[in-house]
Amino acid sequence: RKEVEQDPGPFNVPEGATVAFNCTYSNSASQSFFWYRQDCRKEPKLLMSVYSSGNEDGRFTAQLNRASQYISLLIRDSKLSDSATYLCVVNGPGGFKTIFGAGTRLFVKA
Amino acid sequence: NAGVTQTPKFQVLKTGQSMTLQCAQDMNHEYMSWYRQDPGMGLRLIHYSVGAGITDQGEVPNGYNVSRSTTEDFPLRLLSAAPSQTSVYFCASSYSRAGVYNEQFFGPGTRLTVL
Repeated sequence: RKEVEQDPGPFNVPEGATVAFNCTYSNSASQSFFWYRQDCRKEPKLLMSVYSSGNEDGRFTAQLNRASQYISLLIRDSKLSDSATYLCVVNGPGGFKTIFGAGTRLFVKA
Repeated sequence: NAGVTQTPKFQVLKTGQSMTLQCAQDMNHEYMSWYRQDPGMGLRLIHYSVGAGITDQGEVPNGYNVSRSTTEDFPLRLLSAAPSQTSVYFCASSYSRAGVYNEQFFGPGTRLTVL
């Protein structure tokens, strides 16, 4: 089993749609959690950190369920500019080893 | 503030050649790491460092060496290049707060082809 698993995708959605990404992690001692965005042939960039209480940033909502070892990202009112690959990222015990999911590709169409 | 810089951007090697990928950051981050990204596999951790003089192996360390003589620099050395090392290599840096590492800042990547 992979340490961080994401929906395989790709997701093809129309503008304005709501899309949800799911991610599970295997190490219950993992310390911190993130969603990154990666545009084609570019470096990953932080989209948002994920907290146990859930957090929202504009159209983006992230949630963490430690008991189920599950992380989610919800994008509301999708824009063309949201087209990218979304990476689920988990920092292991001690925070040193960062494990990336394989990513889920999102295509938003007009 | 340049952030994380990597050189070269592109490189073609022949099997058996060695080379060093350079990475530098000017944010005084204690944590630095190297990843490789292959199609459909996400980023895999090669080596990381939590400070000058301290390095450790990640998921896929074989065929690579690192050193960390200063806080700013974290070069990755390919000892004897193989076609399986054809990939995109990203360097990243991060900082800790209350013992927890925060977001990583990535360089633009080096696209390496081994023939």
